[in-house]
Amino acid sequence: QKEVEQNSGPLSVPEGAIASLNCTYSDRVSQSFFWYRQYSGKSPELIMSIYSNGDKEDGRFTAQLNKASQYVSLLIRDSQPSDSATYLCAVGLAGGYQKVTFGTGTKLQVIP
Amino acid sequence: DVKVTQSSRYLVKRTGEKVFLECVQDMDHENMFWYRQDPGLGLRLIYFSYDVKMKEKGDIPEGYSVSREKKERFSLILESASTNQTSMYLCASSLIRGNQPQHFGDGTRLSIL
Repeated sequence: QKEVEQNSGPLSVPEGAIASLNCTYSDRVSQSFFWYRQYSGKSPELIMSIYSNGDKEDGRFTAQLNKASQYVSLLIRDSQPSDSATYLCAVGLAGGYQKVTFGTGTKLQVIP
Repeated sequence: DVKVTQSSRYLVKRTGEKVFLECVQDMDHENMFWYRQDPGLGLRLIYFSYDVKMKEKGDIPEGYSVSREKKERFSLILESASTNQTSMYLCASSLIRGNQPQHFGDGTRLSIL
């Protein structure tokens, strides 16, 4: 079983719609959760960090965390073509040194 | 803003060569990491370091070594490059406390011929 799982997609949404990206993780004692955006041929760029159950909003992005269900999601409101990218979920494991495990990413396509 | 700088964006080397990939960060981060990223396999951790001269193996350390002589610099070494080491290599850094996120450099696309 993969430690961090994401649907590879592609997830296609029309411009202006809400894109919903999901991630599940296996380690119950995970402490920290991150969403990265990666454009083709580029490196991952941090979008959101979330540490507590509930929602965290930053502009058009909302991260949602449910530790009981071991589930973290990213909502993108008013999706734009420039949001088309691969979104990586990363989960910080218990213990030191800030190691994280990355999912393989979900490819998002926003159709104009 | 955090700045993580990798020495080369693109690199082409020959089988059997010793290859050095350099990474420098300017935010006084304790942790530094080297990953490789391949289609369908995601990001895989090669090595990481939490202090000068300290190193820990990641998930796929075979064929690689690292060096951290200064806090800001973390080098990845391919001792004898092979074609299966053709990949995108990504360096990242983070603070050691507070579950802070990792910040990535631009990556080095390495081709071994």
